[in-house]
Amino acid sequence: DAKTTQPPSMDCAEGRAANLPCNHSTISGNEYVYWYRQIHSQGPQYIIHGLKNNETNEMASLIITEDRKSSTLILPHATLRDTAVYYCIVSYDTNAGKSTFGDGTTLTVKP
Amino acid sequence: KAGVTQTPRYLIKTRGQQVTLSCSPISGHRSVSWYQQTPGQGLQFLFEYFSETQRNKGNFPGRFSGRQFSNSRSEMNVSTLELGDSALYLCASRQEGWGEGYGYTFGSGTRLTVV
Repeated sequence: DAKTTQPPSMDCAEGRAANLPCNHSTISGNEYVYWYRQIHSQGPQYIIHGLKNNETNEMASLIITEDRKSSTLILPHATLRDTAVYYCIVSYDTNAGKSTFGDGTTLTVKP
Repeated sequence: KAGVTQTPRYLIKTRGQQVTLSCSPISGHRSVSWYQQTPGQGLQFLFEYFSETQRNKGNFPGRFSGRQFSNSRSEMNVSTLELGDSALYLCASRQEGWGEGYGYTFGSGTRLTVV
């Protein structure tokens, strides 16, 4: 599975959009981009995933560049409860169990 | 829909002992993965099971093993416990489907402390 690179930490003001970048320059054509987040001492929570097109759900939006070498997770109106470690991973559809999570980005939402 | 259930939530064991952790996936999910999380190493993939067969395995010693039952419930076992095995052990289940991509649903984990 392709590796990902994320900034170790980011801050965001409450109510503003949080934009979390992820580089996955070695991604292959059949690999999906997944985003998870982990709030302290809890199991990671699935947020969103995509293959080529931008995606949006009730939690977030995922923007994938045309060459698929990077993506951005957007939390449109960050709240204090969005403070967490955010993981970007890439994996094949049926091989997702071997995903490498990396260190993620610690997002701190400040009042 | 019930989530992924892991038991027990907390466990304290002595070095040299063995331990078995249990995971009940979401109903209908046949893929179950196990992860170890420690402060120093982050989330490390242990193994994945699908339809009672181990499909993928991470880079862990043979002391770590697992199995999956016909109802998709899974157990992982660690024998001859070492202090370094102290960690949060997470189980995740996933629906399978070609060409659609499905995210994992994680359980709350079992916190294992080896003393």
